[in-house]
Amino acid sequence: SQELEQSPQSLIVQEGKNLTINCTSSKTLYGLYWYKQKYGEGLIFLMMLQKGGEEKSHEKITAKLDEKKQQSSLHITASQPSHAGIYLCGADVIWTGTASKLTFGTGTRLQVTL
Amino acid sequence: ETGVTQSPTHLIKTRGQQVTLRCSSQSGHNTVSWYQQALGQGPQFIFQYYREEENGRGNFPPRFSGLQFPNYSSELNVNALELDDSALYLCASSGAPRDEQFFGPGTRLTVL
Repeated sequence: SQELEQSPQSLIVQEGKNLTINCTSSKTLYGLYWYKQKYGEGLIFLMMLQKGGEEKSHEKITAKLDEKKQQSSLHITASQPSHAGIYLCGADVIWTGTASKLTFGTGTRLQVTL
Repeated sequence: ETGVTQSPTHLIKTRGQQVTLRCSSQSGHNTVSWYQQALGQGPQFIFQYYREEENGRGNFPPRFSGLQFPNYSSELNVNALELDDSALYLCASSGAPRDEQFFGPGTRLTVL
């Protein structure tokens, strides 16, 4: 089965600082999702990466899937208190012709201090 | 466009009881996936329904069952509740089984 490991597990940064969260897979990634979750709430979709070397940005958040497609990174520039939350990476696992499921890492908890 | 909604938001049950959680898909979506998220963990896939049929299942026992209705809303039923069933239950809808999944706010279930 596919395993996803996220690092660091938690992070405290000062407002305005940059940060990077990593997601490493035990197998090749065919679809990698990044979600943000406020404590005890649903997941908010950030972006999806499919191709090796692909990089996507939304506002101050950039995600990249490496060439070998076994690692993804999420970079936040000039962090703000609104960036605080739990960041989850999810791998798209296809096990039949039509069915797919997301396998998630354990998450990275981000706190942004003033 | 209405997003994914779930009910109830919170629920407290005792061991051995049965529970039904509900999910309303985003408009135009025919696929619903259910996930269980224990405290401090990532969501774990329970099963997926596509056009009213189960389309895949994770490592959960048969006492976890589901339904999808003609309007593509869905239910998750859990029988013989155990303490370890306490978790946040998330549903996600998508336009097709392998499309991007949009999550609801979740139902927090506490089993005493």
